[in-house]
Amino acid sequence: GNSVTQMEGPVTLSEEAFLTINCTYTATGYPSLFWYVQYPGEGLQLLLKATKADDKGSNKGFEATYRKETTSFHLEKGSVQVSDSAVYFCALSLPGNYGQNFVFGPGTRLSVLP
Amino acid sequence: NAGVTQTPKFRVLKTGQSMTLLCAQDMNHEYMYWYRQDPGMGLRLIHYSVGEGTTAKGEVPDGYNVSRLKKQNFLLGLESAAPSQTSVYFCASSQLQGRAFFGQGTRLTVV
Repeated sequence: GNSVTQMEGPVTLSEEAFLTINCTYTATGYPSLFWYVQYPGEGLQLLLKATKADDKGSNKGFEATYRKETTSFHLEKGSVQVSDSAVYFCALSLPGNYGQNFVFGPGTRLSVLP
Repeated sequence: NAGVTQTPKFRVLKTGQSMTLLCAQDMNHEYMYWYRQDPGMGLRLIHYSVGEGTTAKGEVPDGYNVSRLKKQNFLLGLESAAPSQTSVYFCASSQLQGRAFFGQGTRLTVV
């Protein structure tokens, strides 16, 4: 079946540290890949996306590269800030699928300490 | 520029009561979804719709019903609320393989 696996959290980092959150997927067909972020008390917001192999999505200093060979879409940021504290969800969207369109990972909670 | 709007934002129900959560989107999206989010469980899909007049079960549909009478609205009903349905509910909409837009969530407590 189709699924998304993320590294277990919570992840706690000091400000200006390097961040990696691993995401791997299993999918039939050729999915689009997304990272969503959820700040406390809010809904999910799109952070970045990639629609084909070797595409790099980037936004607000975050980056992720669509790796078809390893079925991965790891999220990275070179220097995190306290304001990056949130829950991060990796997700895939399936092509030509008239059923469930999105599959989400379980989420990874990030806490950044000053 | 409303996007996806959920009402209400908060609600407390007694066990056995019924209620309807409303989701409205103004982006002409075909797909709409209802999720619940519980601590440590991530997002779980309750029901979804691929177009006006259609609905389908997701991962955790028991105890919920939905309707999509108009393309822009997706209603989630609880006929007889149970404490296990205490959760935060999110509605989302998208086009096929496009990004999903989420509402702000409804925090429901069943006592």
